[in-house]
Amino acid sequence: EPEVTQTPSHQVTQMGQEVILRCVPISNHLYFYWYRQILGQKVEFLVSFYNNEISEKSEIFDDQFSVERPDGSNFTLKIRSTKLEDSAMYFCASRLQGAYNEQFFGPGTRLTVL
Amino acid sequence: SQQGEEDPQALSIQEGENATMNCSYKTSINNLQWYRQNSGRGLVHLILIRSNEREKHSGRLRVTLDTSKKSSSLLITASRAADTASYFCATRGSSNTGKLIFGQGTTLQVKP
Repeated sequence: EPEVTQTPSHQVTQMGQEVILRCVPISNHLYFYWYRQILGQKVEFLVSFYNNEISEKSEIFDDQFSVERPDGSNFTLKIRSTKLEDSAMYFCASRLQGAYNEQFFGPGTRLTVL
Repeated sequence: SQQGEEDPQALSIQEGENATMNCSYKTSINNLQWYRQNSGRGLVHLILIRSNEREKHSGRLRVTLDTSKKSSSLLITASRAADTASYFCATRGSSNTGKLIFGQGTTLQVKP
């Protein structure tokens, strides 16, 4: 069964450093998302991406964040200068076109900012 | 309260019992989805119910949706220890992007 994959599973970085989180969505999916979950809290929407551009972003997704689909398979989230409060689990998700298609989530990348 | 609030926040039952979790939301929705998350792991999609549906079944899962009350419930029948996890409802609104808004979740513990 196809699945969304994410790498790395755990990333430790120093405050102020740049990180890139990688995702490979399901191959025939057209909509891509990043969410994050701070430990013990609910999952929060960050950004949606369709047709090679951002279609919606949340208030959390400020200028420190960017997304890219550099080729036909990868979908990346870059945090330019990490802060302590960026420590969280980051989930990538994808879905087919259509209003009633579920989103499939990857296993997540745990980001720890020291 | 925020979109997609679940209650109870925590639920502890014995194996074999049924578990019911509720979710309330505030704005109009296109569909509502339930996800399971094992401790520290990813989100597993369980079931999607459309705004024009009232009830849906999948194996031991039964989901209801009451759009007039803006609420949904997830029933797990004949629970097993392996059902121990956190359960989240997520609503998809009318935006074309399909973003999901998650609730706080219910932590379910099923004791063997």
